[in-house]
Amino acid sequence: NAGVTQTPKFQVLKTGQSMTLQCAQDMNHEYMSWYRQDPGMGLRLIHYSVGAGITDQGEVPNGYNVSRSTTEDFPLRLLSAAPSQTSVYFCASSYMRQGGSPLHFGNGTRLTVT
Amino acid sequence: EDKVVQSPLSLVVHEGDTVTLNCSYEVTNFRSLLWYKQEKKAPTFLFMLTSSGIEKKSGRLSSILDKKELFSILNITATQTGDSAVYLCVQAGGTSYGKLTFGQGTILTVHP
Repeated sequence: NAGVTQTPKFQVLKTGQSMTLQCAQDMNHEYMSWYRQDPGMGLRLIHYSVGAGITDQGEVPNGYNVSRSTTEDFPLRLLSAAPSQTSVYFCASSYMRQGGSPLHFGNGTRLTVT
Repeated sequence: EDKVVQSPLSLVVHEGDTVTLNCSYEVTNFRSLLWYKQEKKAPTFLFMLTSSGIEKKSGRLSSILDKKELFSILNITATQTGDSAVYLCVQAGGTSYGKLTFGQGTILTVHP
């Protein structure tokens, strides 16, 4: 049972480069989301999706794009990497229930932008 | 704007101690409050609370929600070194589904 799979685990980029962080889940979850975690800041929501073809912005969306062409996959694209995007990125998914539902997290991607 | 504040931000105790972690929140359209434990990697789910006054319990961990005073506590009794982690409080609410708000986390260190 794979759960939420994130790749790569580590990545180093130069300023201005672009890349895609991959996220896949095999639990048929409607809801998928991306967070970044910085020291002292907790997790902050970047983008989220409530189903295939539907995406919306979170708290810190600038510099990132997402798409949700299938229920399983929710890639996060960095358009032109900046040092401020150095962070640990987590993908998470859950069922959608009226009262909320626990998130299942991937193991994270540690991104360094030089 | 929805907000979650955890206290203390860090806590150092010895094995066997009991700790109480606090989470206060401001939110529109409350749905639930969740607690997670984060060690070196991804956060792992502990509790989801939707109703006031009903204690959720799992082993040495327990949690309760007060929707009138807008706070929750997470208790850990007889702490062990394996309890050392960051504990995250998360609020699910807002005007649209999916905008979860995380607290800064409480760093708990348990010494032998």
